[in-house]
Amino acid sequence: ETVLTQSPGTLSFSPGERATLSCRASQTVDSSFLAWYQQKPGQAPRLLMYRASSRATGIPDRFSGSGSGTDFTLTISRLEPEDFAVYYCQLFGSSPTFTFGPGTKVDI
Amino acid sequence: EVQLVESGGALVQPGGSLRVSCATSGFSFGTYWMTWVRQAPGKGLEWVANINQHESDKNYADSVKGRFTISRDNSKNSLFLHMNSLRAEDTAVYYCARQPSAWYSFDYWGQGTLVTVSS
Repeated sequence: ETVLTQSPGTLSFSPGERATLSCRASQTVDSSFLAWYQQKPGQAPRLLMYRASSRATGIPDRFSGSGSGTDFTLTISRLEPEDFAVYYCQLFGSSPTFTFGPGTKVDI
Repeated sequence: EVQLVESGGALVQPGGSLRVSCATSGFSFGTYWMTWVRQAPGKGLEWVANINQHESDKNYADSVKGRFTISRDNSKNSLFLHMNSLRAEDTAVYYCARQPSAWYSFDYWGQGTLVTVSS
């Protein structure tokens, strides 16, 4: 089973800064199977990116995704106050099952 | 507007059973895979199970296999999760989500329903 690692667990930024979040897989994966979500306290997760680099409906273009093989990145080009949240990467596996990373909290 | 609304969460004793439901609207329910994801208090997300459009393909996380059963009623645009032999570690908010076939991700989520397993 492929394990996803997101480190560090918390990143601190100021509004307007660029944030780069990492998601590493324990083995090479197909980028088509990698997604990113945002979750704010008390809310359901929201899909940001699918197939590693495709923005979901209604997601601002300050969010972008990239990567291949074992290393994937979610970039927020300029942090807005509403972007402070927890971000999870997610992988579709061969079982077939889905795996989430442990999450990265983007803090002020 | 796509909507998913979970219900049925409750306080249940260890070893007990519960069924949670997800009522959907605003899309053609019968043409989508559907999934359940849970989140224990203060913890991350855990995929639980998914089901294809015709109930011919169901998949489960190892942590719930043999205890939970996912099902759907396309005539009522509803998704269900039947949970048996509940354990304390099953305590979580349970979310239903829509799974576009070729996206390998979940594009719409409900607000969740809380299941608490405790004596």
